[in-house]
Amino acid sequence: DQQVKQNSPSLSVQEGRISILNCDYTNSMFDYFLWYKKYPAEGPTFLISISSIKDKNEDGRFTVFLNKSAKHLSLHIVPSQPGDSAVYFCAALTNSNSGYALNFGKGTSLLVTP
Amino acid sequence: GAVVSQHPSWVICKSGTSVKIECRSLDFQATTMFWYRQFPKQSLMLMATSNEGSKATYEQGVEKDKFLINHASLTLSTLTVTSAHPEDSSFYICSATSPGLLYNEQFFGPGTRLTVL
Repeated sequence: DQQVKQNSPSLSVQEGRISILNCDYTNSMFDYFLWYKKYPAEGPTFLISISSIKDKNEDGRFTVFLNKSAKHLSLHIVPSQPGDSAVYFCAALTNSNSGYALNFGKGTSLLVTP
Repeated sequence: GAVVSQHPSWVICKSGTSVKIECRSLDFQATTMFWYRQFPKQSLMLMATSNEGSKATYEQGVEKDKFLINHASLTLSTLTVTSAHPEDSSFYICSATSPGLLYNEQFFGPGTRLTVL
């Protein structure tokens, strides 16, 4: 059962404009969310995170917004650059059988065109 | 950030053989390592969590006898896919963390592409 959902498999944005990637979750017990960027055949790279006690976290061109009541978060990239083209995964931190683990969405493939 | 390596990065094997994948933390001691797998265009699915010096704990639906995990030292965890079959073909990624890091900080290896013929 997918508890973290990214309903848009792909997104195309023109360079310089804003990219908005969305993520929904079903488990109200999630209290920490992370975004990862992943290139083909590579491991994910951490981008930005947000605790459930906040509704916004900003780091340079990347901003994550959290709407707890809607169980929704989004990643904004402004301005978008061609190098941002990658797959972006939303993840929620959960307790695995023996420690914290990441519960990933299916990812959104972002293409930033010149 | 901390560096995690995986070896090999790419492996092809025949059906029925076993394949070992290594995950190493290069500049920190990883008390906990996670193993994920990713099918094409799918999410990364947690397979198991391994703590140094103890048995790995597996997620529901993951066969522990098929996916053997050993975390014998603070810098090395291995995943052995035993009697591999074509359906085991996937991208396997490890991540590592440590109490000395923020609890949310997991550093990922570059992944291992396994193809079983």
